[in-house]
Amino acid sequence: DVKVTQSSRYLVKRTGEKVFLECVQDMDHENMFWYRQDPGLGLRLIYFSYDVKMKEKGDIPEGYSVSREKKERFSLILESASTNQTSMYLCASRSDRGYSPLHFGNGTRLTVT
Amino acid sequence: RKEVEQDPGPFNVPEGATVAFNCTYSNSASQSFFWYRQDCRKEPKLLMSVYSSGNEDGRFTAQLNRASQYISLLIRDSKLSDSATYLCVVPATNAGGTSYGKLTFGQGTILTVHP
Repeated sequence: DVKVTQSSRYLVKRTGEKVFLECVQDMDHENMFWYRQDPGLGLRLIYFSYDVKMKEKGDIPEGYSVSREKKERFSLILESASTNQTSMYLCASRSDRGYSPLHFGNGTRLTVT
Repeated sequence: RKEVEQDPGPFNVPEGATVAFNCTYSNSASQSFFWYRQDCRKEPKLLMSVYSSGNEDGRFTAQLNRASQYISLLIRDSKLSDSATYLCVVPATNAGGTSYGKLTFGQGTILTVHP
């Protein structure tokens, strides 16, 4: 079974802090994604990466950056956390082979106070 | 037309009922589709993949209509445990029609099955 692991289940940070959310997958997937999910807005793509050191902006990249130094790890960085970044953050990975689905981590619920 | 559009519901049905959700998509080049199920405060989990005209898995049937650009999910003999949000997912493609890994999610359809 594919396993996508997010480093924290719950996180509380202060406004202005730099925040790192880590995600690791164990299935050698080429593609990795960071989404945020908010009530009434559904899942929105922040960034994705289709290879090591490669990244593409998603629909809402402002205020975020990402890092993919190794194939299995994709980090989301909030350079200066703000209260409007309080959300559920979901990492996912996907193979390039055929019509592969997304596999999600169990999410990080971030609260910025 | 939005990339992916779902009726948000909520659908409230009694146990044993049959319920169907539709999802329309705008990119005619999309080749594969997915239905995910998401329980409250949990991550989405894959329910079914849809590659051709459709497929069936127990009480669940997914169908694809390429001409009208929609996919549907049919749940027969609903159980209380089917209560969840159902997400329609469509691969994004670039101008050349090539999928580059990105997927687009619908807003989700809320289903509540009551005794």
